[in-house]
Amino acid sequence: GAVVSQHPSWVICKSGTSVKIECRSLDFQATTMFWYRQFPKQSLMLMATSNEGSKATYEQGVEKDKFLINHASLTLSTLTVTSAHPEDSSFYICSARWRLAGGTNTGELFFGEGSRLTVL
Amino acid sequence: KNQVEQSPQSLIILEGKNCTLQCNYTVSPFSNLRWYKQDTGRGPVSLTIMTFSENTKSNGRYTATLDADTKQSSLHITASQLSDSASYICVVSAYGGYNKLIFGAGTRLAVHP
Repeated sequence: GAVVSQHPSWVICKSGTSVKIECRSLDFQATTMFWYRQFPKQSLMLMATSNEGSKATYEQGVEKDKFLINHASLTLSTLTVTSAHPEDSSFYICSARWRLAGGTNTGELFFGEGSRLTVL
Repeated sequence: KNQVEQSPQSLIILEGKNCTLQCNYTVSPFSNLRWYKQDTGRGPVSLTIMTFSENTKSNGRYTATLDADTKQSSLHITASQLSDSASYICVVSAYGGYNKLIFGAGTRLAVHP
């Protein structure tokens, strides 16, 4: 089956530094990728929707200057947490959708394994 | 407002027993409903996806049902195993845009020996 790879799987950084997380679709082209964050014992919260070649669409309350998303190719999207602070510590997960012909959104959704960010 | 509600919030069962998880939604216009299994510290893995016309779909010991009239879905796990311990997330898609995925809060299942 399709695989979505995230890297790194975990990262520890100092407060004030920036961290980049990569999301790659390994065997299919993903026209749309999604970024989520998940706090302990809670469900996924959509942060932004990333479409190849265009600007990401951010959910209400998510700072676009804080969480920079780039979807430069059909197989790669990146999330950069800029000037990270301890409150940004979370589990970040991406997903990629293989869009079906005709434009319907019933294409399967594949999730990455997640990246755990700890900001000291 | 588009919402997905799951119940119970958490569940403990003994190994070998069956269980059923519930998902009620108010998403419109409905496109499809998915069940995912998420192990702790891992990304969600797809179990089933059902469109409007499908009312039952199985994946091994997992059987999902969908009643589009009452806007309810269930996930039945048969002969539970310790490895079934995870969070089970119901996700409903609405037509109309890339971000029309509404996530339930999940049901945390613990299977004890």
